Amino acid sequence: NAGVTQTPKFQVLKTGQSMTLQCAQDMNHNSMYWYRQDPGMGLRLIYYSASEGTTDKGEVPNGYNVSRLNKREFSLRLESAAPSQTSVYFCASSDRGQVNNEQFFGPGTRLTVL
Amino acid sequence: QKEVEQNSGPLSVPEGAIASLNCTYSDRGSQSFFWYRQYSGKSPELIMSIYSNGDKEDGRFTAQLNKASQYVSLLIRDSQPSDSATYLCAVFGGSNYKLTFGKGTLLTVNP
Repeated sequence: NAGVTQTPKFQVLKTGQSMTLQCAQDMNHNSMYWYRQDPGMGLRLIYYSASEGTTDKGEVPNGYNVSRLNKREFSLRLESAAPSQTSVYFCASSDRGQVNNEQFFGPGTRLTVL
Repeated sequence: QKEVEQNSGPLSVPEGAIASLNCTYSDRGSQSFFWYRQYSGKSPELIMSIYSNGDKEDGRFTAQLNKASQYVSLLIRDSQPSDSATYLCAVFGGSNYKLTFGKGTLLTVNP
């Protein structure tokens, strides 16, 4: 099992460009999440999908959109990138059917917006 | 607003010592508690989960939970240089079904 995979690993964008971060999991988990991690700010939830067909905003959703393509895949789109979106982005998944909500993380995407 | 607080560190311990990492949380309704380890430039890795008051041991790691005091801790026995990382405390449940992370404690184990 690959667990949670993310592409790309690194990306540099210019302000105003758009891009989509891809995430896939092979653990048959119901729930998937997108976080960003910034120095001094910790991990912050951008969007999540509790189950296939549903998405909800997290703590910092502005400037992002998401798509739960199927049970395995959850993508994050930046429509018009801004320097404030320079960050490391992590996708995670969990089996939300269990109360414990253990989340497992992908390797991350390091995004720089110039 | 749910909050999870950790000392940012750095916490420095000699090899072979016990490292003690602490975390407090604000939401009394929280149900599940986790410790993640994050090496520099890598993603968070789940190392311990605890759901009820008391201690839970897994190898060199012991998680301790005290819901009355809203306190979670992680003890690392016989610390090794390979344990040097940032340790993230995470809390789940309560007023919403989301995982809230602390900002992490940087642990350095000196050979």
